[in-house]
Amino acid sequence: AQSVTQLGSHVSVSEGALVLLRCNYSSSVPPYLFWYVQYPNQGLQLLLKYTSAATLVKGINGFEAEFKKSETSFHLTKPSAHMSDAAEYFCAVIAYSGAGSYQLTFGKGTKLSVIP
Amino acid sequence: EAQVTQNPRYLITVTGKKLTVTCSQNMNHEYMSWYRQDPGLGLRQIYYSMNVEVTDKGDVPEGYKVSRKEKRNFPLILESPSPNQTSLYFCASTSADRITDTQYFGPGTRLTVL
Repeated sequence: AQSVTQLGSHVSVSEGALVLLRCNYSSSVPPYLFWYVQYPNQGLQLLLKYTSAATLVKGINGFEAEFKKSETSFHLTKPSAHMSDAAEYFCAVIAYSGAGSYQLTFGKGTKLSVIP
Repeated sequence: EAQVTQNPRYLITVTGKKLTVTCSQNMNHEYMSWYRQDPGLGLRQIYYSMNVEVTDKGDVPEGYKVSRKEKRNFPLILESPSPNQTSLYFCASTSADRITDTQYFGPGTRLTVL
């Protein structure tokens, strides 16, 4: 079965600093990987996704992630943090679970704080 | 506007009183699912449905029921709610023939069971 591990439930960065949110996955089949963002009191919004095309994926709001099969990782980065980036971020993996069905599994989330 | 709607948005109830949370999407999506979000646990899938009359258990189905009689609706039913079902619930939908398409999430339903 597939699973996702996000390292660090809370990450704090200074405004303008690099954002790095870590995600490692396990999957017995080639995975599709996603990063979602949840702003306070809102639902989830897709940031970016990896679907076996380019390994470096660019998303919205200046975020990007690199799929590294050898490391089973899909870390999320942004060169320069803005105050508006403060939110909770979820990594997710989707894989077929047999019989034509599939399942999306989320990590536990990383709450990003941006310090002025 | 493409959207997933959930009702109610907030609900406080008592143990054992049956309740239904509705979910509706206007994108003609085949795939719909329910998640619960709890602090420190992320989102966990409760049930999902690949199409009308096709439903499957997710990771935490105990205490929940679903039905999919129409393509647009996917209600979540708690026959006898208990306090451990106090949580934030999200419904989501996507196109089944391209599973890597974006999942659209509803705004969430915050349920408190006393």
